[in-house]
Amino acid sequence: DGGITQSPKYLFRKEGQNVTLSCEQNLNHDAMYWYRQDPGQGLRLIYYSQIVNDFQKGDIAEGYSVSREKKESFPLTVTSAQKNPTAFYLCASSPGTGYDGELFFGEGSRLTVL
Amino acid sequence: GEDVEQSLFLSVREGDSSVINCTYTDSSSTYLYWYKQEPGAGLQLLTYIFSNMDMKQDQRLTVLLNKKDKHLSLRIADTQTGDSAIYFCDKAAGNKLTFGGGTRVLVKP
Repeated sequence: DGGITQSPKYLFRKEGQNVTLSCEQNLNHDAMYWYRQDPGQGLRLIYYSQIVNDFQKGDIAEGYSVSREKKESFPLTVTSAQKNPTAFYLCASSPGTGYDGELFFGEGSRLTVL
Repeated sequence: GEDVEQSLFLSVREGDSSVINCTYTDSSSTYLYWYKQEPGAGLQLLTYIFSNMDMKQDQRLTVLLNKKDKHLSLRIADTQTGDSAIYFCDKAAGNKLTFGGGTRVLVKP
């Protein structure tokens, strides 16, 4: 079945370590997104990519990095520079430019910094 | 920038109707969406309304859009325990998406 797969579902990290969250989609979507979700807050956009080998910063990109070497994959690295990385991270995709705005979400990855 | 607001919490009895509200500040939009998030999971699209519509009905769901007041609502008829979740409104204006903070709905038997 087509969809978006995020891994791992749960991840623990020590302070000062980088960690990479995986996001893979087989929907043939051009655009992919990373959001961060904190309790009681809406989704905040970290990075997005509308085409392979290109990506843009969202509203809260500091302390994060991404790559888009393949259409299917959009991994997010949470670096040690991110001051408060404990959160629920959601990856999403959409068909791309000209779309009506609907996003298809993965199941999320919960990162806890110990 | 755009501000999209929702109340944090709604408690409703099973079988009653639920109404979840969303207000926004910027009137420009193409589509407005409602997503549902179950515990520990991603968001799933429930329904949407195009910005030139006032109402859309889809089985138990009714979306009302009041453009003058910049107010969007989602009504769930005959609320079931499986409707317990967080509901997000999302406003699309071109490629810019703005999510509300989410309303946690608790359905009591």
